[in-house]
Amino acid sequence: DIVMTQSPDSLAVSLGERATINCKSSQSVFSTSRNKNFLAWYQHKPGQPPKLLISWASTRESGVPDRFSGSGSGTDFTLSISSLQAEDVAVYYCQQYYSSPQTFGQGTKLEIK
Amino acid sequence: QVQLQESGPGLVKPSETLSLTCTVSGYSISSGYYWGWIRQPPGKGLEWIGSIYNSGSPYYNPSLKSRVTISVDTSKNEFSVRLSSVTATDTAMYYCVRVAHGYQLCPFDIWGQGTMVTVSS
Repeated sequence: DIVMTQSPDSLAVSLGERATINCKSSQSVFSTSRNKNFLAWYQHKPGQPPKLLISWASTRESGVPDRFSGSGSGTDFTLSISSLQAEDVAVYYCQQYYSSPQTFGQGTKLEIK
Repeated sequence: QVQLQESGPGLVKPSETLSLTCTVSGYSISSGYYWGWIRQPPGKGLEWIGSIYNSGSPYYNPSLKSRVTISVDTSKNEFSVRLSSVTATDTAMYYCVRVAHGYQLCPFDIWGQGTMVTVSS
């Protein structure tokens, strides 16, 4: 199984400041045949199901604010929130879908400082 | 708008079989996509259980493969999961999901609200 490791486990950022969450996979999730990274980011708020924010490492889903961005390739990835809003408080998960079983990171809890 | 809704018992006794159903609205399962199940034990992370395409062969997480069965009922537009010989470690929020883009290895783009299942005598 591909192990996904996120850092940090928790993060407190001031409103309007930038938040950065890292995700590292135990092996590359880049497909040379598809020229894509098989990496997604989810936002999970209490009492709600997780929400897909970004797929293919950097493609925002429809309706996701452009303050959310994903970057990285191979084994190292980053989710950035350019200007933190109160509604962004949540747990964020990365997930690889390069190989089965699809696996998730342990989650990063984002709070307001 | 595609919506998923889980249903099933919220309490299951140890050693018994957990059974959940996901009813899909706004889309016909027989038209495509993979459909699956994910769970989250209290205070822990997300674990993919398995996925199935229409009435094709399902894919399972090897960690659960010996105990899990996922099936589809296209006539009812729903899919189900059964997990046998449950223990307290199977206590979790169970989500049904749609796999995006029609391929098995793709992100999960639509989620049900989830249903909490507790294993206890």
